[in-house]
Amino acid sequence: SAVISQKPSRDICQRGTSLTIQCQVDSQVTMMFWYRQQPGQSLTLIATANQGSEATYESGFVIDKFPISRPNLTFSTLTVSNMSPEDSSIYLCSVGRSGGELFFGEGSRLTVL
Amino acid sequence: EDQVTQSPEALRLQEGESSSLNCSYTVSGLRGLFWYRQDPGKGPEFLFTLYSAGEEKEKERLKATLTKKESFLHITAPKPEDSATYLCAVQANQAGTALIFGKGTTLSVSS
Repeated sequence: SAVISQKPSRDICQRGTSLTIQCQVDSQVTMMFWYRQQPGQSLTLIATANQGSEATYESGFVIDKFPISRPNLTFSTLTVSNMSPEDSSIYLCSVGRSGGELFFGEGSRLTVL
Repeated sequence: EDQVTQSPEALRLQEGESSSLNCSYTVSGLRGLFWYRQDPGKGPEFLFTLYSAGEEKEKERLKATLTKKESFLHITAPKPEDSATYLCAVQANQAGTALIFGKGTTLSVSS
């Protein structure tokens, strides 16, 4: 497994502002994934972040709204831009292993007023 | 469309009362099926991976099984500390490494 640290663990933000979530892994990993977990819903993949290339976004998610950085093999950031109350959610960073399983951080709980 | 459906949504058990959680899936070629446990305010914790029909995995009071259409998570003689949301996810061959998650089953075990 991997130790995955996310910051902030929670935040309350105003509509129209942006927030950047940081994800730090204790070992080098090729692929990092950002998920969103809305209340009562499944975990939904936002994008895959590969070091040295642009993130790959899933249908319904765009780079202007959720820009992602991946400057090295142990770190990534997800920004939630121009937030609205509909963006209130838990955002989760995860890393993959060879068997296909993912390991998750503790999540960042975002509330937008 | 690849899909994962978990049932029931919520399950209440008495301590020691065994039961099973269901995960039904439709996927274009299964690469792997995964079970996770999620406690409130925490990220999902990996439990098991199953790769082929007939495979079984066990960990303490939990046993996961897999058929061609569904997976079961059997909980034997549960304890209050087993209370959590259990998530099922599948990885399809065509989806690369992305996992598709169900909505989860919230288990409450009372003493």
